[in-house]
Amino acid sequence: DAGVIQSPRHEVTEMGQEVTLRCKPISGHNSLFWYRQTMMRGLELLIYFNNNVPIDDSGMPEDRFSAKMPNASFSTLKIQPSEPRDSAVYFCASNRLAGESGEQFFGPGTRLTVL
Amino acid sequence: GNSVTQMEGPVTLSEEAFLTINCTYTATGYPSLFWYVQYPGEGLQLLLKATKADDKGSNKGFEATYRKETTSFHLEKGSVQVSDSAVYFCALTPNTGFQKLVFGTGTRLLVSP
Repeated sequence: DAGVIQSPRHEVTEMGQEVTLRCKPISGHNSLFWYRQTMMRGLELLIYFNNNVPIDDSGMPEDRFSAKMPNASFSTLKIQPSEPRDSAVYFCASNRLAGESGEQFFGPGTRLTVL
Repeated sequence: GNSVTQMEGPVTLSEEAFLTINCTYTATGYPSLFWYVQYPGEGLQLLLKATKADDKGSNKGFEATYRKETTSFHLEKGSVQVSDSAVYFCALTPNTGFQKLVFGTGTRLLVSP
């Protein structure tokens, strides 16, 4: 199994630019999670999907953030416009069932730097 | 609400030393408990888990026992290696409704030769 795939691994952009992060979950998994990790705030759940449907987006910090899951094998997290305080590592994770034991499989992350 | 509290890091040890990383939790009902590990430059990966009281999770020489009476899930290893240097996260799922993972803040372990 290829594991959760994220792209790009690193992104450097300027304030005000649009940023799109991509995630491919493990095949057969039907729940997908987006997290943000910073030194100050630790690991935060931004949004999760079950069967491609957003279930809880209460962790999305602002309207500048949006996430989509058009099909079972692809999700995007978009920031428009980006700000320096958005600099963080963004992780995508997936699991087979939202209610199954809680084990989630994490991707390697995208390190975002907004100048 | 549900929460996880971990000891502050970093924890600095010499190779072959005994490791304990404390974790306590607050949750309603009977949560499942987890330890995740994050190696430098990587995502989190599950290290071990326990789903009911008195269960012991173990993997790669690490162990943790689900103690409901003390609401704790401390991580232990008898002899650490340099390769164990990483950040360790304690986490729970509430086992009611959606199984959202609630993470602690993480504890960095540094093992020197």
